Amino acid sequence: DAKTTQPTSMDCAEGRAANLPCNHSTISGNEYVYWYRQIHSQGPQYIIHGLKNNETNEMASLIITEDRKSSTLILPHATLRDTAVYYCIVRVGVSGGGADGLTFGKGTHLIIQP
Amino acid sequence: NAGVTQTPKFRILKIGQSMTLQCTQDMNHNYMYWYRQDPGMGLKLIYYSVGAGITDKGEVPNGYNVSRSTTEDFPLRLELAAPSQTSVYFCASSNLATHEQFFGPGTRLTVL
Repeated sequence: DAKTTQPTSMDCAEGRAANLPCNHSTISGNEYVYWYRQIHSQGPQYIIHGLKNNETNEMASLIITEDRKSSTLILPHATLRDTAVYYCIVRVGVSGGGADGLTFGKGTHLIIQP
Repeated sequence: NAGVTQTPKFRILKIGQSMTLQCTQDMNHNYMYWYRQDPGMGLKLIYYSVGAGITDKGEVPNGYNVSRSTTEDFPLRLELAAPSQTSVYFCASSNLATHEQFFGPGTRLTVL
């Protein structure tokens, strides 16, 4: 069973911020939150990950609630090329012994509207 | 660096035929993975390897075999192809230094 819950689909206007929610109410203390995306049948692409603190990189920001039961991925200025399926995944980090692959749910299909 | 490469890109098999999906990475990663993705679904882990000579089953290993004789290569073998194995297959790699898994472009397999 997937450990995360995401909306099936979302729309966002081009140029606006896209906020993708994820619930992970059963997350363990040593589990990270990872986000990947898959653009039209290509291989998934890593976006960002976090444990407790909010994180930002050149692609996105990740906001994790204080109780760690949910998170939000933010694409600050969405473009048409951000149309993709976004997967929220929780797992133990590799250095903590989590080498046994990623568990993908169905993700959120984000559609950026021109 | 080419990253993770997979061959072939497309293949059509008849029921009962066998084939090997090739996967190579040039990033010196210890960990390698095989996933399959059925239409409209997320990826499911078939097998993974934490180093040369070490492999382990994932969520959906039945009907597949793997080997890992080198760090770079992680081939996936289908011995008796069945229509249920029609899917897109992705190979990925990672290591201790990074949380990120790098994925190949995929192999689209149809079994008729």
